[in-house]
Amino acid sequence: SQTIHQWPATLVQPVGSPLSLECTVEGTSNPNLYWYRQAAGRGLQLLFYSVGIGQISSEVPQNLSASRPQDRQFILSSKKLLLSDSGFYLCAWSTTDTQYFGPGTRLTVL
Amino acid sequence: AQSVTQLGSHVSVSEGALVLLRCNYSSSVPPYLFWYVQYPNQGLQLLLKYTSAATLVKGINGFEAEFKKSETSFHLTKPSAHMSDAAEYFCAVRFFNDYKLSFGAGTTVTVRA
Repeated sequence: SQTIHQWPATLVQPVGSPLSLECTVEGTSNPNLYWYRQAAGRGLQLLFYSVGIGQISSEVPQNLSASRPQDRQFILSSKKLLLSDSGFYLCAWSTTDTQYFGPGTRLTVL
Repeated sequence: AQSVTQLGSHVSVSEGALVLLRCNYSSSVPPYLFWYVQYPNQGLQLLLKYTSAATLVKGINGFEAEFKKSETSFHLTKPSAHMSDAAEYFCAVRFFNDYKLSFGAGTTVTVRA
């Protein structure tokens, strides 16, 4: 069966520091991968999606970036965090019509 | 424009009472429809989905939803609420020829003893 992992589970970072969140999927090949953010009172916002290695589409311009160095690995990065980057970050995968979500990373920027 | 709307940001029900969460979409072509549940500080868990097969879809934890094309709706119901149903519920839509899911704003369910 397929599983999706995210780490770290929680992260507290100062403003201006870099960020790297990692997502990996097991048990499937060539999945579509997605990064979402949930900020308080703002629902789920799609940040990036990828249909293959090195193929990244950005949905919202911001100071975040994403990379997909391997088929089942998706990384969310930032060079300098802003207070507004705080939130709950969710990774998801799909191979057909359904998206399946990871456990999430709670990021607090102070 | 294509969109998805959840009516009611908060719903409070008594234990044992009917749970009804409303979702409407706007699209000229019937999309794929999903309901997800999220418990505090956890990811989203798929409850059920409609992908153009049976219009009445049964999911996990006793939930079901009915796709009504004429009303462009996909409301979620559960006949008898349990305390463990307290969570946030999201309706999501995948429109034709799109990789992405569009999410409703979510409905928080509180269950009273």
